[in-house]
Amino acid sequence: EDKVVQSPLSLVVHEGDTVTLNCSYEVTNFRSLLWYKQEKKAPTFLFMLTSSGIEKKSGRLSSILDKKELFSILNITATQTGDSAIYLCAAAGGGADGLTFGKGTHLIIQP
Amino acid sequence: NAGVMQNPRHLVRRRGQEARLRCSPMKGHSHVYWYRQLPEEGLKFMVYLQKENIIDESGMPKERFSAEFPKEGPSILRIQQVVRGDSAAYFCASSPQTLIGEQYFGPGTRLTVT
Repeated sequence: EDKVVQSPLSLVVHEGDTVTLNCSYEVTNFRSLLWYKQEKKAPTFLFMLTSSGIEKKSGRLSSILDKKELFSILNITATQTGDSAIYLCAAAGGGADGLTFGKGTHLIIQP
Repeated sequence: NAGVMQNPRHLVRRRGQEARLRCSPMKGHSHVYWYRQLPEEGLKFMVYLQKENIIDESGMPKERFSAEFPKEGPSILRIQQVVRGDSAAYFCASSPQTLIGEQYFGPGTRLTVT
């Protein structure tokens, strides 16, 4: 069965800290790994990764994929309270055409 | 460019009633996906549709659930004879091409079955 496991499940840090969120996957016919940020409503797209070792950056956020070890990390530097959210990792591939999601990491940034 | 739209945002149904959830994809997107999010659980894929075709319904319960994406109008997720266990947030996502690209999510419909 395809699965995506995220860790930690929750994380509380202070503003200005750097955080690393982890995502491991076991998906047949893997195609891509996606990260989303979910606040109170729709998950919003952050990154899509298809190639190993190539870092993607957007402001203070960055992500990288390791297809050999089957994991990805999402880094957030100089965290702000607005970064507080659930961060979802999802893998495309497997037996279904939909994404397989992890349970998410609930990140809380304290002022 | 409007994002993915879902309505209603909140829906309350009594056990045994029918629930209809609507999703309008982003302009230019012809691929629609439905997901369900139960409390304390991750998003679970239900069904993938293109216009007038169900491509993959491997994640959808075999009974009481159906989905369509007609030539005109929004995609509909229909749940017949709802039970308390159907209470969840139902998200729709769309993408411009088949699943190598990112999916964009709507705000979800929160279904409560009383």
